[in-house]
Amino acid sequence: AAGVIQSPRHLIKEKRETATLKCYPIPRHDTVYWYQQGPGQDPQFLISFYEKMQSDKGSIPDRFSAQQFSDYHSELNMSSLELGDSALYFCASSSLLAGLRNTDTQYFGPGTRLTVL
Amino acid sequence: AQSVTQLGSHVSVSEGALVLLRCNYSSSVPPYLFWYVQYPNQGLQLLLKYTTGATLVKGINGFEAEFKKSETSFHLTKPSAHMSDAAEYFCAVSGTGFQKLVFGTGTRLLVSP
Repeated sequence: AAGVIQSPRHLIKEKRETATLKCYPIPRHDTVYWYQQGPGQDPQFLISFYEKMQSDKGSIPDRFSAQQFSDYHSELNMSSLELGDSALYFCASSSLLAGLRNTDTQYFGPGTRLTVL
Repeated sequence: AQSVTQLGSHVSVSEGALVLLRCNYSSSVPPYLFWYVQYPNQGLQLLLKYTTGATLVKGINGFEAEFKKSETSFHLTKPSAHMSDAAEYFCAVSGTGFQKLVFGTGTRLLVSP
């Protein structure tokens, strides 16, 4: 079965640079969530989108922005990178569509490991 | 507001022994509860979930968990540990299946031969 795809898998940036992380949800999934997992930490919710509209916002820095496109993929844009932004960034997807199984479950991608030097 | 507390950052068991990972939740609404497993340098894989209905839920790899409202608990168990079970386990809660997940701090399961 198709899973959530994230790219790139690894990214190395310098301080003050920008980064763009991409997420491709499971086909027919309309909701995307972004989480940040620092070293040795639990995942923290950043932001979510449903049908291309922001549905919820967590502890996402103002330097970060995100959007969901018409094909439901999502991008997380990160500017003025700081050392503390080094983390594993997960995307998860789910669906509100009737008729799909497990519509109440978030399926996670493999993550993008961002290292800021 | 919702939260989960995982008791024990590390749990060590011998292969073949019972696995018990503890999770207590706090929620102002009926909770949706999840257990995810994370292997080193990998993503989060859903083990099992509780939404409504039967309070004993069975998941993959022989794991199960029981929702106990009176104890606000959702402990994860497996009768017999296998070496391949060594990983980080996260308990998570949401208000519905479509809201953000709030994770516990995780429990690292160590399995010795």
